Amino acid sequence: RKEVEQDPGPFNVPEGATVAFNCTYSNSASQSFFWYRQDCRKEPKLLMSVYSSGNEDGRFTAQLNRASQYISLLIRDSKLSDSATYLCVVRDDYKLSFGAGTTVTVRA
Amino acid sequence: DAEITQSPRHKITETGRQVTLACHQTWNHNNMFWYRQDLGHGLRLIHYSYGVHDTNKGEVSDGYSVSRSNTEDLPLTLESAASSQTSVYFCASSSRLDNEQFFGPGTRLTVL
Repeated sequence: RKEVEQDPGPFNVPEGATVAFNCTYSNSASQSFFWYRQDCRKEPKLLMSVYSSGNEDGRFTAQLNRASQYISLLIRDSKLSDSATYLCVVRDDYKLSFGAGTTVTVRA
Repeated sequence: DAEITQSPRHKITETGRQVTLACHQTWNHNNMFWYRQDLGHGLRLIHYSYGVHDTNKGEVSDGYSVSRSNTEDLPLTLESAASSQTSVYFCASSSRLDNEQFFGPGTRLTVL
């Protein structure tokens, strides 16, 4: 079983739509959680950390459910520039474990 | 501006050759990491270093080695390249282990 699993998508949504997706992780002792964004053929970049109480950053909302061991990301009012692959990342001690990514395509 | 760079950006080599991928960061970060990214997989950790002269194996370290002689550089060496090592390689660094990792632009390696 992979340590971090994501629905690969793709999620194809029109501009202005809301899109949400989850990832699950296997280690209940994982300490920190993140969403990274990766544009085609480029390096991953931190989008946001995920806190236990849930957190927002503009149009992006992240939630953590420790009991069920999943993390979610919701994007409101999607923009064309949100088209990317979103990587779910879990930290155990020093080690980051990456999901394979969820691809989102926003169309005009 | 501080940054992290990788070279070469693209490399084609033959099976059995030794290949070294360079990673250089100017943030003075102690922690540096090498990952590979393949379709259908998340980034997988190859080797990592917590500081000068410190190196550690990650989950997919077979066939790879690293050395850390200064803070800025962590070169990754493929001792005898294999076709299974065709991949995109990312270097990353962080100031603390629980901090964000900053990634280099990646090296696309093809082993024929």
